[in-house]
Amino acid sequence: AQTVTQSQPEMSVQEAETVTLSCTYDTSENNYYLFWYKQPPSRQMILVIRQEAYKQQNATENRFSVNFQKAAKSFSLKISDSQLGDTAMYFCAFTDGGSNYKLTFGKGTLLTVNP
Amino acid sequence: NAGVTQTPKFQVLKTGQSMTLQCAQDMNHEYMSWYRQDPGMGLRLIHYSVGAGITDQGEVPNGYNVSRSTTEDFPLRLLSAAPSQTSVYFCASSVSFSDQPQHFGDGTRLSIL
Repeated sequence: AQTVTQSQPEMSVQEAETVTLSCTYDTSENNYYLFWYKQPPSRQMILVIRQEAYKQQNATENRFSVNFQKAAKSFSLKISDSQLGDTAMYFCAFTDGGSNYKLTFGKGTLLTVNP
Repeated sequence: NAGVTQTPKFQVLKTGQSMTLQCAQDMNHEYMSWYRQDPGMGLRLIHYSVGAGITDQGEVPNGYNVSRSTTEDFPLRLLSAAPSQTSVYFCASSVSFSDQPQHFGDGTRLSIL
């Protein structure tokens, strides 16, 4: 069974600074997909970024980027120029190539951006 | 498009009562799923469906039933509510391609007294 581990239950960062959230996963699959979801206090689940395992290039979406290390099974999220609106729970999630309907989530990291 | 719509947003039940959480999507997605979110546990898959008439169990299916009579709707039934089912429930849908993300509803906060 796949597992996703987020080792940082809580983190904080000053506004405009950079922060990195960690995620490791365990799978025997070679083809899979990784996601970071953001859950603000409104409770919505918002997709931040996604990475296909077969792509070596790290995904980037504006201020959000990932460091995908396939051999190490690591998938960290870097947030640059942190903004107050980035305050949220962040979940790392995994799905293998054949079961997009079954996401396995980590337990989440609560990120607080301080003014 | 409304996306994924969950009703109700909040519900309080007494132990032993039954109820159905509704989920509807208007994106013609084949895949639909139900997750529960508990503090410190992330989201865990309850049941999922790969199309009308097809459902299967996820990680934590006990105490819940589902059916999928149409592409649009995927209700989750609690037959006899227990305090352990107090949680926030999310419905999600996606197309059949693995690289496409799931679309989540806004969640239902359910309290069982």
